[in-house]
Amino acid sequence: GDSVTQMQGQVTLSEDDFLFINCTYSTTWYPTLFWYVQYPGEGPQLLLKVTTANNKGISRGFEATYDKGTTSFHLQKASVQESDSAVYYCVLGANSGTYQRFGTGTKLQVVP
Amino acid sequence: EAAVTQSPRNKVTVTGGNVTLSCRQTNSHNYMYWYRQDTGHGLRLIHYSYGAGNLQIGDVPDGYKATRTTQEDFFLLLELASPSQTSLYFCASSGGLGGYEQYFGPGTRLTVL
Repeated sequence: GDSVTQMQGQVTLSEDDFLFINCTYSTTWYPTLFWYVQYPGEGPQLLLKVTTANNKGISRGFEATYDKGTTSFHLQKASVQESDSAVYYCVLGANSGTYQRFGTGTKLQVVP
Repeated sequence: EAAVTQSPRNKVTVTGGNVTLSCRQTNSHNYMYWYRQDTGHGLRLIHYSYGAGNLQIGDVPDGYKATRTTQEDFFLLLELASPSQTSLYFCASSGGLGGYEQYFGPGTRLTVL
């Protein structure tokens, strides 16, 4: 069945550092790959969506890409700010008629 | 005007108690979901539904029932609550399954003593 793996449980960076979060996925169908962000006390919200058609997404300074060869997808930001402190989830959707699969989340803490 | 609302926001009950969590969406979405969120596990799908009267099981359905009474309303029922069900519960809605964005509610924190 479909699955997604998110290995980085927690990341601590200083302001202006580079952020890179990586997930791997497995599906026999065409994937749609999402990144959701969850700020403290809130529900998750969509940050970026990447499909096989567009290959890349950019929003709020974040960039999401995927690599079909290695079945991995990535979230990066050139310069993080304290306000980016949150939990980031990678999510796999597929056109298989089944529900989306969430990674276990990466808690990002940005210190001043 | 929040599109997905949940009630109550906090709930404390005792082991063996009966709990109902409520969710309402105003997105006119067909799909609604119930997740639980626990440290180290992220978000895990309990049940989902694609319309009134429909119910599908997710990855962790044991100990939970759910009912979709209308397109807008989806309920999660814990008939014999246990301490292992202490968690943060989220409801979400979407227009479809795999390729569709999910819209989440603010969450309900449930404590089972």
